[in-house]
Order: sequence, then structure tokens, then C-alpha cells
Amino acid sequence: AQSVTQLDSQVPVFEEAPVELRCNYSSSVSVYLFWYVQYPNQGLQLLLKYLSGSTLVKGINGFEAEFNKSQTSFHLRKPSVHISDTAEYFCAVSLGAAGNKLTFGGGTRVLVKP
Amino acid sequence: GAVVSQHPSWVICKSGTSVKIECRSLDFQATTMFWYRQFPKQSLMLMATSNEGSKATYEQGVEKDKFLINHASLTLSTLTVTSAHPEDSSFYICSARTGGAETQYFGPGTRLLVL
Repeated sequence: AQSVTQLDSQVPVFEEAPVELRCNYSSSVSVYLFWYVQYPNQGLQLLLKYLSGSTLVKGINGFEAEFNKSQTSFHLRKPSVHISDTAEYFCAVSLGAAGNKLTFGGGTRVLVKP
Repeated sequence: GAVVSQHPSWVICKSGTSVKIECRSLDFQATTMFWYRQFPKQSLMLMATSNEGSKATYEQGVEKDKFLINHASLTLSTLTVTSAHPEDSSFYICSARTGGAETQYFGPGTRLLVL
């Protein structure tokens, strides 16, 4: 079975500063990788996903993530955050075949300070 | 595209009553829908997977007689919390996926408070 670890439960960051959210996974088979964002009292919105191909994935709202197979990581980055990026971020994996369920990490709460 | 809605967005009910939550895919056909539960400041916990026209598959520890799931059409799945108790109070989120697709699209969630 696969598992996902988000190493930071909370990340405070100043506005316009860069941010990196760490995600590591474990799986004995190939996986699909996802980052979702959840704003207060809302569902999840897909930021980006890695299925195959280029290991650098660009998503919405200026976010990007890099898949590193040797380190089993899929860290999320944004070069300059805005106040509106304050939210909960979830990394998730599914087995590398269509039809499989997602396994979520514990989430990282990003608090952007002015 | 890929919009999923949930109704109601929040509900308050008395202990012992049943509550039905609807999940709809508005612009695509969802052959598979998922139901999650999220406690405050925690991650999502998958409760069950439902495929259109067949019985739902429940995760270990989830009572299928308490959380009834129906996926009668390609655009609608319902979760009924039967004989709700205060410990069932939570944020319930559904997601939907088309057949053969790898991406799940999530609804906005339903907050349930059982008094």
C-alpha cells in the first residue's frame, strides 16, 4: 500500500516570499501524484498533477512541483506568495493506473503574513 | 469544466434522525464517486467508493449500514447518514471521476452538525 508524508504541518511565510511544501511518498509501484488546495470551509481544488513525462509540473496560481523518483518526493513551490494563498495544501498519490483511489498526506497549512 | 456540486452545504439535525447529502457532477459523467470525511484540522479519510449501478465499496471501519451510499446515475450519488449521532458531526466531501481517468474532482463539502 502507498503512503504520503507531508513533513510540515504548518508553514508561515511573508507575502511575496517563496514557499516550498514538502511531500514524500512510499510505494512499490509507479504512482500518480497530485497537489490539492483547500480554502476554509471549501472542498479541494486541483493545483497540479504528475502522471508521466517531464518531472517539472506547472499548475494554477503560479505553483509548480517537481517529481523526484529517486527521493520519492513531489515538493510544491511558489516563488512569490500572496495573502490569498493562505490555505491548506494536500499532497496525494494514487497507484499508476486509472481507477485507483487517492491516498492523502496530512496536509500543510500555509499562513501568509503581510 | 469538471464541476462537482454538493447539497446541502451545511445541515443541522437532531440525534437519531437521518440526513441525506447529494453529490452531482454538473458537466461530466461520473462513473466513479468517492465519499470522504474530514475532521477539523485533519486530512481527508476515504469512506467509500461508489460506481454507477453497483454497490459501494466501503473502507475498513466504515459502517455500511450507517452510511448508505447510492449511485443511481452517472451524475448523482447520495450519502445518507442514518440515525445520526453527535460523533457523526463532520465535514463530508465527495469527489467524482470519469471512467479511466486518473483525476478526481471534488465538491465543496457538506458540514453536518448533529445535536
